[in-house]
Amino acid sequence: GENVEQHPSTLSVQEGDSAVIKCTYSDSASNYFPWYKQELGKGPQLIIDIRSNVGEKKDQRIAVTLNKTAKHFSLHITETQPEDSAVYFCAAPPLSGSARQLTFGSGTQLTVLP
Amino acid sequence: KAGVTQTPRYLIKTRGQQVTLSCSPISGHRSVSWYQQTPGQGLQFLFEYFSETQRNKGNFPGRFSGRQFSNSRSEMNVSTLELGDSALYLCASSLQGFDSTEAFFGQGTRLTVV
Repeated sequence: GENVEQHPSTLSVQEGDSAVIKCTYSDSASNYFPWYKQELGKGPQLIIDIRSNVGEKKDQRIAVTLNKTAKHFSLHITETQPEDSAVYFCAAPPLSGSARQLTFGSGTQLTVLP
Repeated sequence: KAGVTQTPRYLIKTRGQQVTLSCSPISGHRSVSWYQQTPGQGLQFLFEYFSETQRNKGNFPGRFSGRQFSNSRSEMNVSTLELGDSALYLCASSLQGFDSTEAFFGQGTRLTVV
């Protein structure tokens, strides 16, 4: 089955700096890579996703890059703000390509220091 | 547009009991997936339902079961509860499509087994 590794497990940045979280996946057939943000006491919230036919996608301060050859994808948050503090998860679907059966990374606790 | 609704938010059960959790997907979404989230194992896929049929199943014992109704609402049941079943149970809804589609999560049900 799919295996997703996520690094780092914790990340502290100063407000205004950038944060980068990286994930690698094992199944070369995977074609959809979402990122979720989970705040304390809440369910994961989809913040951005990318499909295998593009290499980069950006939404305001958030961007995701995908390298299919190396089988890794990254989340980039620029101009970080205290409200960006949360746990971030990457995910990938299995060989069948169903986004409804996601394998998640272990999560990154991002802390933005004021 | 209402999001994914899970009830109840919190539950305390005793070992050996059974429990039923409920999930109402986003209006128009026909797929419901369930995940278990624990500090040790992270987010793990339980099963997915579409059109009242279980389409995918994760690596969990038969004590974990579910069903989906004609209005797409879903329930999951855990029988003979064990202490290790204490977790946040998350439900995610998706549109059905030929390509991978986004999964949107509810706030979860926090189950504590004592």
